[in-house]
Amino acid sequence: EVQLLESGGGLGQPGGSLRLSCASSGFTFSSYAMNWVRQAPGKGLEWVSTITESGGNKYYADSVKGRFTISRDNSKNTLYMQMNSLRAEDTALYYCAKSARRQGYFDSWGQGTLVTVSS
Amino acid sequence: DIQMTQSPSTLSASVGDSVTITCRASQSISPWLAWYQQKPGKAPNLLIYKASNLESGVPSRFNGSGSGTEFTLTISSLQPDDFATYYCQHYYSYSGTFGQGTKVEIK
Repeated sequence: EVQLLESGGGLGQPGGSLRLSCASSGFTFSSYAMNWVRQAPGKGLEWVSTITESGGNKYYADSVKGRFTISRDNSKNTLYMQMNSLRAEDTALYYCAKSARRQGYFDSWGQGTLVTVSS
Repeated sequence: DIQMTQSPSTLSASVGDSVTITCRASQSISPWLAWYQQKPGKAPNLLIYKASNLESGVPSRFNGSGSGTEFTLTISSLQPDDFATYYCQHYYSYSGTFGQGTKVEIK
């Protein structure tokens, strides 16, 4: 069974940093692209970032480009998101999602970690 | 960037009804479209991929169709468990934009 467990959320200061992690199990982590999707309180889903299987290619939404960095450690089966220069509008529940094999849709999701940006 | 527009934003229906949600893309994305269901306080759940393929374990009352820029999700004979919010997502490129969501409410 695929399991994705996010952590690292919490209260961040405007202009500050947070690092999210997503520990995975139940599948061969290195064989799948991985993603971060966020959902602001009471709002819809927003794709944030994707990283390919080897980590060689990374893609970002315009809203986070230059501030967030996605990475992965295939030896630890873990996905990361380094979030810098935090803004109030980054407040959201951040989901880790697994891509289907060589496909761009998301077939498994974690339960999310809440990031609140406030002074 | 490809924009995804869902309609309606909210839909009121009764158990047993058939409902249809539409998703329009700003350019052709065929067939790279997925549909997800999200219940309050829960992560989204994949229903349909590649516009019309039913994910394993999803009831057959969910049906996806469409091509090019216009796609639909039809739920035939709504069940109590189906009252939720539904999102479309394109995966034409590595920027999987979601539609804004359609909330299916009990009439």
